[in-house]
Amino acid sequence: GENVEQHPSTLSVQEGDSAVIKCTYSDSASNYFPWYKQELGKGPQLIIDIRSNVGEKKDQRIAVTLNKTAKHFSLHITETQPEDSAVYFCAATGQNFVFGPGTRLSVLP
Amino acid sequence: NAGVTQTPKFQVLKTGQSMTLQCAQDMNHEYMSWYRQDPGMGLRLIHYSVGAGITDQGEVPNGYNVSRSTTEDFPLRLLSAAPSQTSVYFCASSYSNGGEAFFGQGTRLTVV
Repeated sequence: GENVEQHPSTLSVQEGDSAVIKCTYSDSASNYFPWYKQELGKGPQLIIDIRSNVGEKKDQRIAVTLNKTAKHFSLHITETQPEDSAVYFCAATGQNFVFGPGTRLSVLP
Repeated sequence: NAGVTQTPKFQVLKTGQSMTLQCAQDMNHEYMSWYRQDPGMGLRLIHYSVGAGITDQGEVPNGYNVSRSTTEDFPLRLLSAAPSQTSVYFCASSYSNGGEAFFGQGTRLTVV
C-alpha cells in the first residue's frame, strides 16, 4: 500500500521568512495530493491541493510543487505570519487518503 | 451547512466497555471515513465507506465496527474498549476519494 513520509517533523521560522515542508510517497498510482492545516483542538482543514497532471499550484502565499518522477511534493509558505503556526499534514490519494505524520510549524514574532 | 458533525467531543470509557461514536454530514457526500490520530503518527484510516450499504477496512480496523445505512450517517463502534484505543478520532467526508475531505471536530477518547 501507499506510504507517505514527511519532513521535517518540527519547523520554526521567523515571521516573514519562508517555510518548506517536503513529502514523499511510494505508490505511483496516487493522483491527488492535498495539504491540510490543523489548529489546536480542531479537525484538519484543506489549504491547497494538486493533481498528478499539474506540476505546481499557487494560492496567495501558499504553493505546492509535485515531482511525479521522484514521487515527492512540497508545500511552500512565503511571508509567514504567526497565524500560520499549526500542524500541517500532506496526503497522497489513490484508493484512499494516506497521510504523512505531520509537521509542527511555529512562526516566531 | 453544518458540514461534518461528530458526537461526543470527549469520552472516558473503562476497559471492556462498548460505545458508538457518531458522525453525520449534510453535504450529500458518498465517501466517508474514520481516522484515529496519535502523536507522531498522523491520521490512520480505520474504516471507510464509498456509499450507503458499502464499507471496507482501512489500515487499523481491529476492534472497530462500522455500518452505513444512510448517506448522511457513518457511526463507529468500539466493541470492547482497550487502553490502546485511547486516541483522537476524526470522521471525514468527501464527494469522492479523490477530492477535498471535510473533517469533523474530533472525539477525544480515553480508555482507562
